[in-house]
Amino acid sequence: DGGITQSPKYLFRKEGQNVTLSCEQNLNHDAMYWYRQDPGQGLRLIYYSQIVNDFQKGDIAEGYSVSREKKESFPLTVTSAQKNPTAFYLCASSVGIGETQYFGPGTRLLVL
Amino acid sequence: GQSLEQPSEVTAVEGAIVQINCTYQTSGFYGLSWYQQHDGGAPTFLSYNALDGLEETGRFSSFLSRSDSYGYLLLQELQMKDSASYFCAVGASSGNTGKLIFGQGTTLQVKP
Repeated sequence: DGGITQSPKYLFRKEGQNVTLSCEQNLNHDAMYWYRQDPGQGLRLIYYSQIVNDFQKGDIAEGYSVSREKKESFPLTVTSAQKNPTAFYLCASSVGIGETQYFGPGTRLLVL
Repeated sequence: GQSLEQPSEVTAVEGAIVQINCTYQTSGFYGLSWYQQHDGGAPTFLSYNALDGLEETGRFSSFLSRSDSYGYLLLQELQMKDSASYFCAVGASSGNTGKLIFGQGTTLQVKP
């Protein structure tokens, strides 16, 4: 079955630690996205990528980094510079930029 | 700036009809999408309008008026499982790239 997978489902981060969230898709989509969702809030765009080896900052990129070395994969690193990382992180992909997005199941990040 | 507005909460009874409105202010508009998100889950795609008019998909319909920068999601024959958050999202251009901009979401509570 085609889809988007994210791992892990839950992730715990210690102070000063970098953590990486995985996102993989087998939909052959060119565009991929990372969003952050806080309780009771909408989705805020962190980074997006239109094509392999290219990515753009979204609205809240500070404290995060990404890579897009393969079409199928778009990992997100939450760095120690992100002072309030506790949130629900959602990865999505679409055929092309701005088109209908399909979401993975999400990763909940908690700070110890 | 670019923004979307939708009501924060809507309550309705089982079997009823409910309409969730969305007004937007964006540049380079190219489509209005609707997503459903159950508590703790990932958003799932419901419908997309690129042109003015009504799109129907089973119990759900979505409407767009580009001249009014307005759209709505209509849910008929409400069921308890329809209790969820509903997000409108607009495809918009930013510089020379496009992306989806999400509203803050409307929490729908369906009562028996």
